[in-house]
Amino acid sequence: AQTVTQSQPEMSVQEAETVTLSCTYDTSESDYYLFWYKQPPSRQMILVIRQEAYKQQNATENRFSVNFQKAAKSFSLKISDSQLGDAAMYFCAYTHAGNMLTFGGGTRLMVKP
Amino acid sequence: EAQVTQNPRYLITVTGKKLTVTCSQNMNHEYMSWYRQDPGLGLRQIYYSMNVEVTDKGDVPEGYKVSRKEKRNFPLILESPSPNQTSLYFCASSFSPDLYTEAFFGQGTRLTVV
Repeated sequence: AQTVTQSQPEMSVQEAETVTLSCTYDTSESDYYLFWYKQPPSRQMILVIRQEAYKQQNATENRFSVNFQKAAKSFSLKISDSQLGDAAMYFCAYTHAGNMLTFGGGTRLMVKP
Repeated sequence: EAQVTQNPRYLITVTGKKLTVTCSQNMNHEYMSWYRQDPGLGLRQIYYSMNVEVTDKGDVPEGYKVSRKEKRNFPLILESPSPNQTSLYFCASSFSPDLYTEAFFGQGTRLTVV
């Protein structure tokens, strides 16, 4: 069975600085997708960024980028120029097929003004 | 507006009293699923549905039932709720069950069973 592990329950960052959230996963599949979701206090699940395993290039979305290391099964999220609105719970997730998402336990990110 | 709508958003109930959490999507999605979110465990899938009248168990199905009589609706039923089902519940939908397509989530239902 696939597992997703986020080893940092909480992280904090100073506004305007950069922070990296860690995620590792375990799978025997070669083709899959990885995601980072943001959950603000409103509880809404917001897709931040997506990486397809067959693509070697790391995905980027504005201030958000990933470091995807397929051999190491590592998928970290880097947030640059952190803003107060980035404070939230962040979930790493995996899917092979059929759209069932396997989630990590989450990392709570606090942004200090 | 394309969305997944869950009701209610908050619910407090007593042990053993049957309840239903509704989920409806207006995007003509085939795939729908239910997740529960617990601290430190992330979201775990309860049940999913590939299409009308096709449902199957996820990782944590015990104590839950679902039905998919119409494409747009996928209610979650707790026949005899227990305190260990106190959790935050999410419904999600996506276009295709076969290929990856983006999942859309509802707003969540905070359930407390006393």
